[in-house]
Amino acid sequence: EDQVTQSPEALRLQEGESSSLNCSYTVSGLRGLFWYRQDPGKGPEFLFTLYSAGEEKEKERLKATLTKKESFLHITAPKPEDSATYLCALRTLMNRDDKIIFGKGTRLHILP
Amino acid sequence: EAQVTQNPRYLITVTGKKLTVTCSQNMNHEYMSWYRQDPGLGLRQIYYSMNVEVTDKGDVPEGYKVSRKEKRNFPLILESPSPNQTSLYFCASSLLDGDQPQHFGDGTRLSIL
Repeated sequence: EDQVTQSPEALRLQEGESSSLNCSYTVSGLRGLFWYRQDPGKGPEFLFTLYSAGEEKEKERLKATLTKKESFLHITAPKPEDSATYLCALRTLMNRDDKIIFGKGTRLHILP
Repeated sequence: EAQVTQNPRYLITVTGKKLTVTCSQNMNHEYMSWYRQDPGLGLRQIYYSMNVEVTDKGDVPEGYKVSRKEKRNFPLILESPSPNQTSLYFCASSLLDGDQPQHFGDGTRLSIL
């Protein structure tokens, strides 16, 4: 069964304290792995797409990496405005089912 | 402006009273999807559509219907809503290619009493 597990569930960091969020997955047919940011009361906002093991993408203080079993979202020197829930999602293809599966997210809180 | 528009944003209703949540996108996307988001359970896909007149079940389709008569619209229908369908609902769309991200609407907060 395809599934996505994110850890930790919640993370509190001091401003400037770098860390990583984990997304581990099992999937039969990976079409893409996505990272989104979600602010309270809003829809998820796209950050990165990864497809191949070894791939890396960067945007400002965020860097996403992918292996065959997991993805990491590295946050370097975070600021309070980086506080949000970060979601990992897979697009899978199995027997003509083209589904999207989300992890439960990591709630990140950056303290000033 | 490229966007996914959901209506209504908020709705309080009673058990058994049929309702429809509309979703429209202006990006000519083939793939459209409905999700519900519940505390502790995350976002779960209800139904998706890969093109006009093509719809498929996601992970939690029970109690919901959808239709895709036009490319831009993908309404979610609750024929006989029940309290366990109280949730935050999101519509999203994307291009058909597997590496294309979903673009989300602002959400519909639905309360079934």
